[in-house]
Amino acid sequence: DAGITQSPRHKVTETGTPVTLRCHQTENHRYMYWYRQDPGHGLRLIHYSYGVKDTDKGEVSDGYSVSRSKTEDFLLTLESATSSQTSVYFCAISGQLGTEAFFGQGTRLTVV
Amino acid sequence: RKEVEQDPGPFNVPEGATVAFNCTYSNSASQSFFWYRQDCRKEPKLLMSVYSSGNEDGRFTAQLNRASQYISLLIRDSKLSDSATYLCVVNGAYGGSQGNLIFGKGTKLSVKP
Repeated sequence: DAGITQSPRHKVTETGTPVTLRCHQTENHRYMYWYRQDPGHGLRLIHYSYGVKDTDKGEVSDGYSVSRSKTEDFLLTLESATSSQTSVYFCAISGQLGTEAFFGQGTRLTVV
Repeated sequence: RKEVEQDPGPFNVPEGATVAFNCTYSNSASQSFFWYRQDCRKEPKLLMSVYSSGNEDGRFTAQLNRASQYISLLIRDSKLSDSATYLCVVNGAYGGSQGNLIFGKGTKLSVKP
């Protein structure tokens, strides 16, 4: 299995609080991604990174920010969590854009 | 038109059956195609890439029809362990998804004894 670790694996937080999810890889892949998965929507791209300090928005980026200060770490921040951000969040990595991606185990986030 | 469309199922089949999943995609410029498998409450895992010439991996066969923008996955001799959701994936071309992978919503397969 690809070396991708997400933390935390589960989190319950209150509306309006900031939340940061972490993705750590040991594969030295250039590309890292954050997706969210919701019933009826499938996997949707939030943000992605193509190198240290190089990030771009995905399909559903509103309300989220990201940072990548090291090749191996990609952080997803919800500045002020809302109930609509209750979801399962997956981090993924790939060697090149548009090639096969490998996923972390996911973070189940509940905003109450 | 949605970028990647799949029949959501569920497909309920007996062990040993042959089952086929279909997927259509909207971007004629897409170059990369995959099938992923996702078990309940788990992460998606790459099942196989899909090549223009078609490709086979054991009981699994994937085919691509670029003219019709259609991808298929055939599973022969279904096993109980094949029960999962199968995701069709292509690389996108519009807006924030440009070049990135676009996932279909998945087709759920349930193999019964």
